[in-house]
Amino acid sequence: QVHVVESGGGVVQPGRSLRLSCAVSGLSLTGFAMHWVRQTPGRGLEWIAVIGYDVTRRYYTDSVRGRFTISRDNSQNTVDLEMNNLRPEDTAVYYCVREWSSGYRKGFDYWGQGTLVTVSS
Amino acid sequence: DIQLTQSPSFLSASVGDRVTITCRASQAIATYLAWYQQKPEKAPKLLIHGASTLLSGVPSRFSGSGSGTEFSLTITSLQPEDFATYYCQHLHSYPWTFGQGTKVEIK
Repeated sequence: QVHVVESGGGVVQPGRSLRLSCAVSGLSLTGFAMHWVRQTPGRGLEWIAVIGYDVTRRYYTDSVRGRFTISRDNSQNTVDLEMNNLRPEDTAVYYCVREWSSGYRKGFDYWGQGTLVTVSS
Repeated sequence: DIQLTQSPSFLSASVGDRVTITCRASQAIATYLAWYQQKPEKAPKLLIHGASTLLSGVPSRFSGSGSGTEFSLTITSLQPEDFATYYCQHLHSYPWTFGQGTKVEIK
């Protein structure tokens, strides 16, 4: 059975840091890039970061570049998102997702249940 | 960045209706477009990739079409379980943005 489980969300003050973790089981991550996507009622779904399987490919959306860092441990099947200097507009449900790209880029075929991050004083 | 504009944002329909959602890209993205369905309190679910290829297990009443900048998702004979929010997403170049969503509600 496939499990993609995010953890680490919570309430944090502006300017502080938080680290999200994503643990994947029952699913191969070999060769697959992993992403973080967030969702808010006001801004909908927002792609924020990607890391390739060999970790050399990392890209971020403009609003988080320089503040967020995506990483992965292929031996543990985990993906992390280190979030620094958090802002109220970072408040969202954060999803860890697997990129399906056999042949060509297809989309996100596996999603976690999401973890809520609330940035508020 | 490539922007995706979905229309309509909200759609009220009845069981059995045919509905079409459009997604317009701000620049050409070939067929690097995916469609997702999201139900309340659930993560999105991938329905269609490559603009028109249904994932295994997705009912054939769903179909996608388009290339370049104009895309559509059509549901023929809407079923009760289809009432949800639908999103398009491009995979052409980073950032892989999503459309703002189309909520399909029961009339």
